[in-house]
Amino acid sequence: QSVLTQPPSASGTPGQRVTISCSGSSSNIGSNYVYWYQQLPGTAPKLLAYRDNQRPSGVPDRFSASKSGTSASLAISGLRSEDEADYYCAAWDDSLSGRYVFGTGTKVTVL
Amino acid sequence: EVQLVQSGAEVKKPGESLKISCKGSGYRFTSYWIGWVRQMPGKGLEWMGIIYPGDSHTRYSPSFQGQVTISAGKSISTAYLQWSSLKASDTAIYYCARASSYGLSGGYAFDIWGQGTMVTVSS
Repeated sequence: QSVLTQPPSASGTPGQRVTISCSGSSSNIGSNYVYWYQQLPGTAPKLLAYRDNQRPSGVPDRFSASKSGTSASLAISGLRSEDEADYYCAAWDDSLSGRYVFGTGTKVTVL
Repeated sequence: EVQLVQSGAEVKKPGESLKISCKGSGYRFTSYWIGWVRQMPGKGLEWMGIIYPGDSHTRYSPSFQGQVTISAGKSISTAYLQWSSLKASDTAIYYCARASSYGLSGGYAFDIWGQGTMVTVSS
């Protein structure tokens, strides 16, 4: 299983703010950048944030990422129905000769 | 338009070999890494490895080292993922993705993704 732990699910009503956590350790989040991806049903993932808190062009500012110590989080404000998707954090992990690891994933449901 | 186009779905038997492809266009193929990501049915994302087509430098996840081979043909802007002997447990969607690197331990930002290749291994 992954070394980055996320809650399996999160939900909110339209317009609400939802926060997804990503818990790691000193060998990954604690010393390396964090990335976030969104995967809509039946589609390829999409980059939402890189280098802890940077947004690629085209990603709405409703999505904001942050990091503190060995944990990271992604906040979605002004929740919309089209935000219903799986969200994954990721980071380089220095253990086991080094590897890029994805989090366990969080399914966001818009009620 | 920057895009990665992957080869089509495959149905194979256990023990068979397979090579799937990922063709880049709309950007300088040799200036970005190309990574491969597995997604088993109903499961999460797993990083398999990555290649820099400019010099074919390759890094593998320990979980996939020796199980697959990643290569690239820079003259035709195409990356490959291959198996020499498939198992039923290789049944999954395989994505290629373009990546920018942020240093040896900085990780990768996978900003452009292929559409995925479904590989089914069944007797």
